Amino acid sequence: DTEVTQTPKHLVMGMTNKKSLKCEQHMGHRAMYWYKQKAKKPPELMFVYSYEKLSINESVPSRFSPECPNSSLLNLHLHALQPEDSALYLCASSQDRKSSYEQYFGPGTRLTVT
Amino acid sequence: SQQGEEDPQALSIQEGENATMNCSYKTSINNLQWYRQNSGRGLVHLILIRSNEREKHSGRLRVTLDTSKKSSSLLITASRAADTASYFCATDAQGAQKLVFGQGTRLTINP
Repeated sequence: DTEVTQTPKHLVMGMTNKKSLKCEQHMGHRAMYWYKQKAKKPPELMFVYSYEKLSINESVPSRFSPECPNSSLLNLHLHALQPEDSALYLCASSQDRKSSYEQYFGPGTRLTVT
Repeated sequence: SQQGEEDPQALSIQEGENATMNCSYKTSINNLQWYRQNSGRGLVHLILIRSNEREKHSGRLRVTLDTSKKSSSLLITASRAADTASYFCATDAQGAQKLVFGQGTRLTINP
């Protein structure tokens, strides 16, 4: 199974809502990533988890809160978002956080903040 | 930033023709990867080339790397409509242990 799944596929939320994005992989990968992608732009790294510990936070605003409950799951908790946070949020995983490993991406969650 | 810059930003060719995309980067790297993204979907890994390699093939894909010029190219031969997608190079700065994606090339294959 070489699949990374993400739920939900689409999410519309108001600026006062709290919601969560979920990501799951069963490849035994020990590194998991959250990326944000705006239209016609490349993915931008937000967070990296390695062996269930947060290893990189790319100065992401605190209204985004990542969580890694176990080696297969990655969550992104959202609170008090702004309209400019509307984007495609991509989860990825790799065998290890070494950059020599390919990353497997999920299909993404299309987030709209109203 | 050692983000890759890709050229051209958009490319439109006829089915059956070859497509070439270029990527330039700023700092020394351990490896360079190419990914494909169909519209609004996740990225798919295509190929990885290490800094000590000059050329790599995978099916209809050919990737070259010139570390002296800090550039790479991706050639897709005998293009098909299904190759229509955005293509991104991704580089790692030595020791950074993270990937930084280039701006991407939007490729359109016309039937």
